[in-house]
Amino acid sequence: EMQLLEYGGSLVQPGGSLTLSCAASGFTFSSSSMNWVRQAPGKGLEWVSVVSYNSDTTHYADSVKGRFTISRDNSKNILYLQMKSLRAEDTALYYCVKDATGWGKFDLWGQGTVVTVSS
Amino acid sequence: VVTQTPRSLSVTPGQSASISCKSSQSLLNSDGKTYLYWYLQKPGQPPQPLIYEVSNRFSGVPDRFSGSGSGTDFTLKISRVEAEDAGVYYCMQSILFPRAFGQGTRVEIK
Repeated sequence: EMQLLEYGGSLVQPGGSLTLSCAASGFTFSSSSMNWVRQAPGKGLEWVSVVSYNSDTTHYADSVKGRFTISRDNSKNILYLQMKSLRAEDTALYYCVKDATGWGKFDLWGQGTVVTVSS
Repeated sequence: VVTQTPRSLSVTPGQSASISCKSSQSLLNSDGKTYLYWYLQKPGQPPQPLIYEVSNRFSGVPDRFSGSGSGTDFTLKISRVEAEDAGVYYCMQSILFPRAFGQGTRVEIK
């Protein structure tokens, strides 16, 4: 069974840093583009970042560019999101999402991990 | 920019519902594919895939769900609505970065 399990979310102070992880299983992780999508409390979905299957290419939402870094370890089947200079508006449920084609065909979503930025 | 309408609707079981999604630019790519997707988020759950590339259902999605459209205007239609169809529906464009979701349409079943 294909599965994505996010972890690492927590309460962090404004200006702080945090790294999210996503463990993948049940599919060939090294062949799939991977994304992070977030959802602020009571709000809609916001795409955050993507990394290509071989880490050659990354893209970011303007709201996180320069503060967040996406990466992956294909030997461990883990996706990461390093977050720095966190702001209150980064408070959200962060989903790890598999892209079947690299063109937004999001065919597998994790349950999410919660990041709260507050003093 | 991707704009969904309506923002909410209430549907009687057995009736049909339609959601519109409009993009500020054409989603037709040079490879001939149109990169418009639909996702459904049921209460308390992560989003689940419904439709890819305008009109193709993901595996396991009932044929009550259908997508149509071209260029910049797209529609998701739910025929014979059932109670389990309640939730928030999102369209998403993926022809370019950043990917963009619509604002979402909340569907309530009467």
